[in-house]
Amino acid sequence: SQELEQSPQSLIVQEGKNLTINCTSSKTLYGLYWYKQKYGEGLIFLMMLQKGGEEKSHEKITAKLDEKKQQSSLHITASQPSHAGIYLCGADGAGSYQLTFGKGTKLSVIP
Amino acid sequence: GAVVSQHPSWVICKSGTSVKIECRSLDFQATTMFWYRQFPKQSLMLMATSNEGSKATYEQGVEKDKFLINHASLTLSTLTVTSAHPEDSSFYICSASRAVNTEAFFGQGTRLTVV
Repeated sequence: SQELEQSPQSLIVQEGKNLTINCTSSKTLYGLYWYKQKYGEGLIFLMMLQKGGEEKSHEKITAKLDEKKQQSSLHITASQPSHAGIYLCGADGAGSYQLTFGKGTKLSVIP
Repeated sequence: GAVVSQHPSWVICKSGTSVKIECRSLDFQATTMFWYRQFPKQSLMLMATSNEGSKATYEQGVEKDKFLINHASLTLSTLTVTSAHPEDSSFYICSASRAVNTEAFFGQGTRLTVV
């Protein structure tokens, strides 16, 4: 079965700083999803990556999928308190939308 | 957009009772719905996949008689936790897809506390 390892598990940064969260898969990634979760709220879809070398950006968040399609990184530029939350990466197996998730990275942004 | 609504957002029930969680796709028809459970400090775990009009497919280790899933229409799936116990306390979340192998949209989740 596919396993996703996220690092770091938690992260505390000062407002305005950049940060990167990594997601490493034990198998080739066919679809890699990044979600953000705030307590008491559902998952918010951030981005989906499918092609090796693909990079997508939304506002100050950029996600990349490496060429070998086994690792993805999420980069936040000039972090703000609104970026705080738990970031989850999820992956689906070939031909399936049943997602496997990493354990999440808890991000705290200090004003 | 594609909106999935889960109800209730949170529920407290007594041990031994049953509780039903609803997952609705508000603006699209969902052929497939997924139910996940999140354990403390762990990732979301897929519990079962339900396709409209057919029996749900449960993941290994998930008791189908305890976690009853019904997907009676293209906009509604329900998860019933029967004879709930404190260890069933968790965060349950559903997702819905228009068709197999298409993007899934998540509900807000339901926090269940069994006392």
